[in-house]
Amino acid sequence: DAEITQSPRHKITETGRQVTLACHQTWNHNNMFWYRQDLGHGLRLIHYSYGVQDTNKGEVSDGYSVSRSNTEDLPLTLESAASSQTSVYFCASSESGQGADEQYFGPGTRLTVT
Amino acid sequence: QKEVEQNSGPLSVPEGAIASLNCTYSDRGSQSFFWYRQYSGKSPELIMFIYSNGDKEDGRFTAQLNKASQYVSLLIRDSQPSDSATYLCAVNKDYQLIWGAGTKLIIKP
Repeated sequence: DAEITQSPRHKITETGRQVTLACHQTWNHNNMFWYRQDLGHGLRLIHYSYGVQDTNKGEVSDGYSVSRSNTEDLPLTLESAASSQTSVYFCASSESGQGADEQYFGPGTRLTVT
Repeated sequence: QKEVEQNSGPLSVPEGAIASLNCTYSDRGSQSFFWYRQYSGKSPELIMFIYSNGDKEDGRFTAQLNKASQYVSLLIRDSQPSDSATYLCAVNKDYQLIWGAGTKLIIKP
């Protein structure tokens, strides 16, 4: 069955370190998204991609970057981790419609920056 | 004003009753509306989507859309304890989904 996987599921890192969160989907979806979820804020969009070599900034992109070299993967990099980036991170994908279609989520990565 | 608003709850409903969850949105140009369920510590999972005014039913779930009043609701009939979760409303805007903060639903046995 098609799915989205994220790794690691839990990560503890120190302030200032570079961290990369992996997202891999086997749906063959063109669109992929990264969100963070914090209490009281719901899901906030970090970056998104509508296809290979396409990346776009979302609502809360400062301090994060992504690259899309193939259809299946959209890794999220925190350039220099900050305590404010402690959060739960979700990757999602959708088939088409420039993001207007329903999105399917990975299991999430809980990141703690100390 | 937030683009997508939901009452944070918690909304407490007796088992077997109808749970009614509401969502309002600000962009009149939105065309697609989604309801997701999120259990504690888990990722959001799609319950239903609706594009047209009126009702859409799927099992115990009914989504209702009123574009003139800019609200979308989710009804859960015969509520079960397993329906206890946070329900997220999402609305499309400029080819993205804008999310509400969610309503926590508690079904009391």
